[in-house]
Amino acid sequence: GENVEQHPSTLSVQEGDSAVIKCTYSDSASNYFPWYKQELGKRPQLIIDIRSNVGEKKDQRIAVTLNKTAKHFSLHITETQPEDSAVYFCAASKVNNDMRFGAGTRLTVKP
Amino acid sequence: NAGVTQTPKFQVLKTGQSMTLQCAQDMNHEYMSWYRQDPGMGLRLIHYSVGAGITDQGEVPNGYNVSRSTTEDFPLRLLSAAPSQTSVYFCASSFLSTGLGSPLHFGNGTRLTVT
Repeated sequence: GENVEQHPSTLSVQEGDSAVIKCTYSDSASNYFPWYKQELGKRPQLIIDIRSNVGEKKDQRIAVTLNKTAKHFSLHITETQPEDSAVYFCAASKVNNDMRFGAGTRLTVKP
Repeated sequence: NAGVTQTPKFQVLKTGQSMTLQCAQDMNHEYMSWYRQDPGMGLRLIHYSVGAGITDQGEVPNGYNVSRSTTEDFPLRLLSAAPSQTSVYFCASSFLSTGLGSPLHFGNGTRLTVT
């Protein structure tokens, strides 16, 4: 089955700096790559996603890039704010939506 | 729309007891799934369903059963609870797009403790 690896497991940045989280996947049939944000005690919520026919997608301060050849994708957050502090999960899924998640990155933005 | 509703929010079981975690969605989603979340291990897929009458196993199916008799409901049954099943359980649903994945909508979770 699909295996998703995520790095780093923890990330601490100063407010205003950029944060980058990287994921790799193993199954070349995966074609959908969402990113979820989970605040303490809450459910995961989608923040951005990318499909395999696109190399990059941006939504305000958040961007995701995908390299299908290398089987890796990354989340970029610019101008970080304290409210960006949370756990972020990457995921990969195939056509039947069998979605596998990375282990998560705990992002701390220090004021 | 209520979205994805999970009950109960909290549950404590003794080893060997059985119980059912309920999940219902009102978005007419074909796809429904159950995940467990343990510290440092992300979300691991237990079982999933692509429609009524169809279920399949995920990464960690042992000790759990599911059924999908209607589009709306996807209960998760623990047959004989073990301390290793202490976790937070999330139900999630989505549409099934032709040829491409779709974003999952998560419920608020059930925190289960097995003593």
